[in-house]
Amino acid sequence: AQKITQTQPGMFVQEKEAVTLDCTYDTSDPSYGLFWYKQPSSGEMIFLIYQGSYDQQNATEGRYSLNFQKARKSANLVISASQLGDSAMYFCAMREGYNNAGNMLTFGGGTRLMVKP
Amino acid sequence: GAVVSQHPSWVICKSGTSVKIECRSLDFQATTMFWYRQFPKQSLMLMATSNEGSKATYEQGVEKDKFLINHASLTLSTLTVTSAHPEDSSFYICSARQTGSNQPQHFGDGTRLSIL
Repeated sequence: AQKITQTQPGMFVQEKEAVTLDCTYDTSDPSYGLFWYKQPSSGEMIFLIYQGSYDQQNATEGRYSLNFQKARKSANLVISASQLGDSAMYFCAMREGYNNAGNMLTFGGGTRLMVKP
Repeated sequence: GAVVSQHPSWVICKSGTSVKIECRSLDFQATTMFWYRQFPKQSLMLMATSNEGSKATYEQGVEKDKFLINHASLTLSTLTVTSAHPEDSSFYICSARQTGSNQPQHFGDGTRLSIL
């Protein structure tokens, strides 16, 4: 079974509007971390935001916020006030286990976001 | 912040050539680094986990004799694609992370490998 599922292969959003990118996950480990990365066409992976499984509040980083619904096992990324530079691939990822530098990331299939002027 | 440097960023070479890709953690020690492969318009697929001072752990389906990994120091891991063929052409990207529960993995900028 897929551990990380991103159901939206591609999305359009109008500039200055907000957009939500979906991510659901599957794990039996009570300790895990959820991450979102942005990958522009140049290829580099840019870390955006992190949510720990024990965090009580939704994570926020500037225009990025994570809508964490633990019971539903979803960790949707919300981008407010979209900008043209937000056009990129976005990957949701999960690390199972806690505070272990050796734990790998499992990635979802990605969502390509295109911001329209 | 933590930075991971990957070199080279682009390689074009003939079939049969071996290609070495370096991944360095610039301002932190990384006992573990990860190597991913990404095909166009697809997600990152973990190839192997590189452990300093010991053998790498390869994911199922990844040929260890084809993709040699050496993690000789706490700041350097190398991936060597041996006797590369056109089907090995891909985007290879490494990552490492500092210890700490909320530390993200930091990625190198990736290496685009094209085998002619």
